Amino acid sequence: AQRVTQPEKLLSVFKGAPVELKCNYSYSGSPELFWYVQYSRQRLQLLLRHISRESIKGFTADLNKGETSFHLKKPFAQEEDSAMYYCALSGSGNTGKLIFGQGTTLQVKP
Amino acid sequence: ETGVTQSPTHLIKTRGQQVTLRCSSQSGHNTVSWYQQALGQGPQFIFQYYREEENGRGNFPPRFSGLQFPNYSSELNVNALELDDSALYLCASSPRQGGAEKLFFGSGTQLSVL
Repeated sequence: AQRVTQPEKLLSVFKGAPVELKCNYSYSGSPELFWYVQYSRQRLQLLLRHISRESIKGFTADLNKGETSFHLKKPFAQEEDSAMYYCALSGSGNTGKLIFGQGTTLQVKP
Repeated sequence: ETGVTQSPTHLIKTRGQQVTLRCSSQSGHNTVSWYQQALGQGPQFIFQYYREEENGRGNFPPRFSGLQFPNYSSELNVNALELDDSALYLCASSPRQGGAEKLFFGSGTQLSVL
């Protein structure tokens, strides 16, 4: 079964501390993984995708097929990073289906 | 460039009723996907429409149906509403069939079933 697990509902850190939002997936095949973010009173938006291998707003995520993980990391958290973060997996077939995790709320304290 | 717009923003219905939610895709996008997001959960894929036809469907019963129009806007219809249908319904558009790598979401319609 295709599944995305985000084990933490809430992650609270202080400004300047490192951040790691965990994501594990279950998928038979070559997965395509994404991180989506929802800031307060804004719509859900794409943060980054593993294929791009880019850093967005200081965040990076590496696909580890051995551990079936796609953790989101940032070395120094900023208050404006406070938001809800969703890890998502692109399902099989060309249907545009994304399988989302339950989400992790990141709270960056001053 | 106009983003994805959904209407209405909020809706209250009673069990057994029918509801229609509407979505206008982002300019230049020909594909629309619908998601259901229950409280405290991540969005769940309902279906996708491309060229006015259903392109893929998630694990939702047939009382969830949709339409896409020639201008690429879309409707989600839910018949025989149940209490568990209470959720935020999100529409997302993309510039091509499938297009999971480039989804643009609307703000959603909050449906409450009493």
